[in-house]
Amino acid sequence: EIVMTQSPATLSVSPGERATLSCRASQSVSSNLAWYQQKPGQAPRLLIYGASTRATGIPARFSGSGSGTEFTLTISSLQSEDFAVYYCQQYNNWWTFGQGTKVENK
Amino acid sequence: QVQLVESGGGVVQPGRSLRLSCAASGFTFSSNPMHWVRQAPGKGLEWVAVISYDGSSEHYADSVKGRLTISRDNSKNTLFLQMNSLRAEDTAVYYCAREAPYGSAHFDYWGQGTLVTVSS
Repeated sequence: EIVMTQSPATLSVSPGERATLSCRASQSVSSNLAWYQQKPGQAPRLLIYGASTRATGIPARFSGSGSGTEFTLTISSLQSEDFAVYYCQQYNNWWTFGQGTKVENK
Repeated sequence: QVQLVESGGGVVQPGRSLRLSCAASGFTFSSNPMHWVRQAPGKGLEWVAVISYDGSSEHYADSVKGRLTISRDNSKNTLFLQMNSLRAEDTAVYYCAREAPYGSAHFDYWGQGTLVTVSS
């Protein structure tokens, strides 16, 4: 099983600041990496797939990068609605999720 | 628009069974593989199972293999999860999710989830 490790567990950011979230795979997943956002009481929402392609309707402030084993989700200027938990997911070898990064208001 | 609506959750005693359903609409259900993902209270997401677009193949997480069975009825646009020999650690919100078309196996649509609580 491919293990996905996200860091940090919690990220404290002020509105307007940049947020950088990391995701590491235990073995190469090529570019088969997605990012999801989850708010309390809601289902996850797809943000990024193919490591760097924004899903339909996702604002340009969200960007993804990386390939192989190291990936990054960047929120360029955090908005109030972006406070949430973010999960990475590999789909190169079956499916596994990272444990999540909570982005909270500093 | 794509909609996925889960149902069938509830409180069940350890060792008993439960069947979840996921009603799909707004797309050609028979074209997409479908998944179940679960989330224990206060925890992260755990992939559970996948079924191919035509129901001919399935794959499960090791944690549920032999106890949970995924199936689908393409004539009724419905996905199922049969849960047997339930354990306390199966307590979670269960989401159904659509696998994206065109060969990229991420999940592009999710249902709102249904809560399963295993407790005596």
